Amino acid sequence: EVQLVESGGGLVQPGGSLRLSCAASGFTFSSYWMTWVRQAPGKGLEWVANIKEDGSEKYYVDSVKGRFTISRDNAKNSLYLQMNSLRAEDTAVYYCARDPDWGQGTLVTVSS
Amino acid sequence: QSALTQPASVSGSPGQSITISCTGTSSDLGGYNDVSWYQQHPGKAPKLMIYDVSNRPSGVSNRFSGSKSGNTASLTISGLQAEDEADYYCGSYRGTSSWVFGGGTKLTVL
Repeated sequence: EVQLVESGGGLVQPGGSLRLSCAASGFTFSSYWMTWVRQAPGKGLEWVANIKEDGSEKYYVDSVKGRFTISRDNAKNSLYLQMNSLRAEDTAVYYCARDPDWGQGTLVTVSS
Repeated sequence: QSALTQPASVSGSPGQSITISCTGTSSDLGGYNDVSWYQQHPGKAPKLMIYDVSNRPSGVSNRFSGSKSGNTASLTISGLQAEDEADYYCGSYRGTSSWVFGGGTKLTVL
Protein backbone atom coordinates (compact mmCIF):
# COMPACT_ATOMS: atom_id res chain seq x y z
CA GLU A 1 0.00 0.00 0.00
CA VAL A 2 1.31 3.41 -0.99
CA GLN A 3 1.64 5.87 1.85
CA LEU A 4 2.68 9.51 1.85
CA VAL A 5 2.90 11.07 5.29
CA GLU A 6 3.64 14.77 5.66
CA SER A 7 5.00 16.38 8.80
CA GLY A 8 6.61 19.59 9.94
CA GLY A 9 3.70 22.01 9.68
CA GLY A 10 2.81 24.47 12.39
CA LEU A 11 2.51 28.11 13.37
CA VAL A 12 5.31 30.42 12.30
CA GLN A 13 5.72 34.18 12.29
CA PRO A 14 5.97 36.17 9.07
CA GLY A 15 9.53 36.07 7.81
CA GLY A 16 10.18 32.77 9.54
CA SER A 17 11.16 29.38 8.20
CA LEU A 18 9.76 25.89 8.26
CA ARG A 19 10.82 22.55 6.78
CA LEU A 20 8.18 20.11 5.66
CA SER A 21 8.89 16.42 5.24
CA CYS A 22 7.06 13.67 3.41
CA ALA A 23 7.80 10.03 4.20
CA ALA A 24 7.00 7.73 1.30
CA SER A 25 6.44 3.99 1.34
CA GLY A 26 4.85 1.28 -0.76
CA PHE A 27 6.48 2.22 -4.05
CA THR A 28 9.94 2.77 -5.55
CA PHE A 29 10.37 6.36 -4.44
CA SER A 30 13.52 6.95 -6.46
CA SER A 31 11.69 6.21 -9.71
CA TYR A 32 9.17 9.02 -9.58
CA TRP A 33 8.89 12.76 -9.83
CA MET A 34 7.40 14.14 -6.63
CA THR A 35 5.24 17.20 -6.10
CA TRP A 36 4.13 19.62 -3.40
CA VAL A 37 0.64 21.11 -3.73
CA ARG A 38 -0.95 23.54 -1.30
CA GLN A 39 -4.45 24.64 -0.46
CA ALA A 40 -5.16 27.85 1.43
CA PRO A 41 -8.13 27.71 3.83
CA GLY A 42 -11.35 27.63 1.83
CA LYS A 43 -9.47 28.01 -1.44
CA GLY A 44 -8.45 25.83 -4.37
CA LEU A 45 -5.41 23.76 -5.09
CA GLU A 46 -2.12 25.36 -6.09
CA TRP A 47 0.86 23.52 -7.51
CA VAL A 48 3.94 24.60 -5.56
CA ALA A 49 6.95 22.63 -6.76
CA ASN A 50 8.16 19.36 -8.15
CA ILE A 51 11.42 17.46 -8.36
CA LYS A 52 12.83 14.90 -10.75
CA GLU A 53 13.58 11.34 -9.69
CA ASP A 54 17.26 12.02 -9.02
CA GLY A 55 16.79 15.58 -7.77
CA SER A 56 18.57 17.08 -10.76
CA GLU A 57 15.60 19.20 -11.87
CA LYS A 58 13.37 21.33 -9.69
CA TYR A 59 10.52 23.65 -10.64
CA TYR A 60 8.51 26.17 -8.66
CA VAL A 61 5.43 28.33 -8.93
CA ASP A 62 6.48 31.95 -9.36
CA SER A 63 5.15 33.04 -5.96
CA VAL A 64 7.63 30.84 -4.05
CA LYS A 65 10.71 31.10 -6.27
CA GLY A 66 13.73 32.17 -4.26
CA ARG A 67 11.99 31.41 -0.95
CA PHE A 68 11.14 27.69 -1.10
CA THR A 69 13.44 24.79 -1.92
CA ILE A 70 12.27 21.30 -2.77
CA SER A 71 14.63 18.41 -2.18
CA ARG A 72 14.62 14.67 -1.69
CA ASP A 73 16.64 11.90 -0.09
CA ASN A 74 16.07 8.71 -2.04
CA ALA A 75 17.98 6.66 0.53
CA LYS A 76 15.43 7.72 3.13
CA ASN A 77 12.41 7.69 0.78
CA SER A 78 11.74 11.24 1.82
CA LEU A 79 10.68 14.49 0.17
CA TYR A 80 11.26 17.91 1.70
CA LEU A 81 10.15 21.50 1.30
CA GLN A 82 12.29 24.15 2.93
CA MET A 83 10.22 27.30 3.27
CA ASN A 84 11.95 30.59 4.10
CA SER A 85 10.73 34.20 4.31
CA LEU A 86 7.24 32.96 4.95
CA ARG A 87 4.29 35.26 4.32
CA ALA A 88 0.69 35.23 5.47
CA GLU A 89 -0.34 34.13 1.99
CA ASP A 90 1.69 30.94 2.39
CA THR A 91 -0.82 29.77 5.00
CA ALA A 92 -2.22 26.51 3.64
CA VAL A 93 -2.40 22.78 3.92
CA TYR A 94 0.61 21.38 2.08
CA TYR A 95 0.22 18.05 0.32
CA CYS A 96 2.92 15.71 -0.89
CA ALA A 97 1.77 13.96 -4.07
CA ARG A 98 2.65 11.45 -6.72
CA ASP A 99 -0.49 10.76 -8.71
CA PRO A 100 -2.65 8.93 -7.97
CA ASP A 101 -1.41 9.06 -4.39
CA TRP A 102 -1.57 12.06 -2.06
CA GLY A 103 -0.75 12.47 1.59
CA GLN A 104 -3.23 13.83 4.10
CA GLY A 105 -1.45 17.16 4.26
CA THR A 106 0.19 19.27 6.92
CA LEU A 107 -1.08 22.70 7.93
CA VAL A 108 1.22 25.69 7.81
CA THR A 109 -0.03 28.86 9.45
CA VAL A 110 1.93 32.08 9.03
CA SER A 111 0.77 34.64 11.55
CA SER A 112 2.08 36.95 14.23
CA GLN B 1 0.45 31.98 -13.63
CA SER B 2 -3.34 32.15 -14.00
CA ALA B 3 -5.48 29.26 -12.87
CA LEU B 4 -7.68 27.31 -15.22
CA THR B 5 -11.31 28.47 -15.26
CA GLN B 6 -14.06 26.32 -13.78
CA PRO B 7 -17.66 27.17 -12.84
CA ALA B 8 -17.96 27.85 -9.14
CA SER B 9 -20.82 25.43 -8.72
CA VAL B 10 -22.98 22.87 -10.48
CA SER B 11 -25.87 20.79 -9.25
CA GLY B 12 -27.91 17.81 -10.26
CA SER B 13 -30.42 15.33 -8.96
CA PRO B 14 -29.63 11.70 -8.19
CA GLY B 15 -29.48 9.63 -11.36
CA GLN B 16 -28.87 12.60 -13.61
CA SER B 17 -25.66 13.46 -15.46
CA ILE B 18 -23.66 16.63 -14.98
CA THR B 19 -20.66 18.11 -16.76
CA ILE B 20 -17.99 20.36 -15.31
CA SER B 21 -15.94 22.42 -17.70
CA CYS B 22 -12.36 23.57 -17.35
CA THR B 23 -10.97 26.24 -19.67
CA GLY B 24 -7.36 27.09 -20.20
CA THR B 25 -5.18 28.34 -23.01
CA SER B 26 -3.09 26.89 -25.79
CA SER B 27 -0.10 27.21 -23.44
CA ASP B 28 -1.51 24.79 -20.94
CA LEU B 29 -4.65 22.68 -21.29
CA GLY B 30 -4.96 23.18 -25.03
CA GLY B 31 -1.37 22.27 -25.72
CA TYR B 32 -1.06 19.02 -23.79
CA ASN B 33 -3.02 15.88 -23.05
CA ASP B 34 -1.84 15.89 -19.43
CA VAL B 35 -5.22 16.90 -18.01
CA SER B 36 -6.42 15.49 -14.70
CA TRP B 37 -9.51 15.75 -12.53
CA TYR B 38 -9.61 15.49 -8.74
CA GLN B 39 -12.44 14.97 -6.29
CA GLN B 40 -12.14 16.43 -2.81
CA HIS B 41 -14.51 15.85 0.06
CA PRO B 42 -14.43 18.30 3.00
CA GLY B 43 -11.38 17.83 5.17
CA LYS B 44 -9.93 15.16 2.91
CA ALA B 45 -7.05 15.00 0.47
CA PRO B 46 -7.82 15.26 -3.24
CA LYS B 47 -8.45 12.01 -5.07
CA LEU B 48 -7.43 11.50 -8.68
CA MET B 49 -10.48 10.63 -10.79
CA ILE B 50 -9.24 11.15 -14.35
CA TYR B 51 -5.76 11.46 -15.85
CA ASP B 52 -4.44 12.10 -19.36
CA VAL B 53 -7.80 13.66 -20.34
CA SER B 54 -9.93 10.55 -20.22
CA ASN B 55 -8.27 7.71 -18.31
CA ARG B 56 -9.58 6.41 -15.01
CA PRO B 57 -7.25 5.13 -12.31
CA SER B 58 -7.96 1.68 -10.98
CA GLY B 59 -10.93 1.71 -8.62
CA VAL B 60 -12.62 4.84 -9.98
CA SER B 61 -16.20 4.29 -11.08
CA ASN B 62 -16.91 4.27 -14.81
CA ARG B 63 -19.61 6.84 -14.09
CA PHE B 64 -16.78 9.35 -14.30
CA SER B 65 -15.49 10.28 -17.75
CA GLY B 66 -13.30 13.00 -19.20
CA SER B 67 -12.83 14.67 -22.54
CA LYS B 68 -11.14 17.64 -24.15
CA SER B 69 -11.79 19.90 -27.10
CA GLY B 70 -9.42 22.71 -27.89
CA ASN B 71 -8.69 24.70 -24.75
CA THR B 72 -11.57 23.22 -22.74
CA ALA B 73 -11.69 19.95 -20.84
CA SER B 74 -14.79 18.41 -19.34
CA LEU B 75 -15.63 16.00 -16.56
CA THR B 76 -18.93 14.17 -16.84
CA ILE B 77 -20.50 12.28 -13.99
CA SER B 78 -23.38 10.04 -14.96
CA GLY B 79 -25.91 8.39 -12.67
CA LEU B 80 -25.27 11.04 -10.02
CA GLN B 81 -25.11 9.72 -6.46
CA ALA B 82 -25.18 11.47 -3.10
CA GLU B 83 -21.56 10.46 -2.47
CA ASP B 84 -20.48 12.41 -5.55
CA GLU B 85 -21.18 15.67 -3.74
CA ALA B 86 -17.73 17.22 -3.39
CA ASP B 87 -15.38 19.80 -4.85
CA TYR B 88 -13.83 18.98 -8.20
CA TYR B 89 -10.60 20.39 -9.57
CA CYS B 90 -9.05 20.14 -12.99
CA GLY B 91 -5.32 20.24 -13.47
CA SER B 92 -3.11 20.59 -16.50
CA TYR B 93 0.53 20.45 -17.44
CA ARG B 94 1.72 23.81 -18.67
CA GLY B 95 5.24 23.10 -19.85
CA THR B 96 8.65 23.35 -18.18
CA SER B 97 7.56 20.66 -15.73
CA SER B 98 5.02 22.97 -14.13
CA TRP B 99 1.35 22.45 -13.49
CA VAL B 100 -1.76 24.55 -12.97
CA PHE B 101 -5.11 23.80 -11.34
CA GLY B 102 -8.57 25.18 -11.84
CA GLY B 103 -10.30 27.18 -9.14
CA GLY B 104 -12.58 24.29 -8.27
CA THR B 105 -16.27 23.48 -8.73
CA LYS B 106 -18.63 22.61 -5.91
CA LEU B 107 -20.98 19.84 -6.94
CA THR B 108 -24.28 19.70 -5.08
CA VAL B 109 -26.48 16.64 -5.36
CA LEU B 110 -30.03 17.89 -4.86
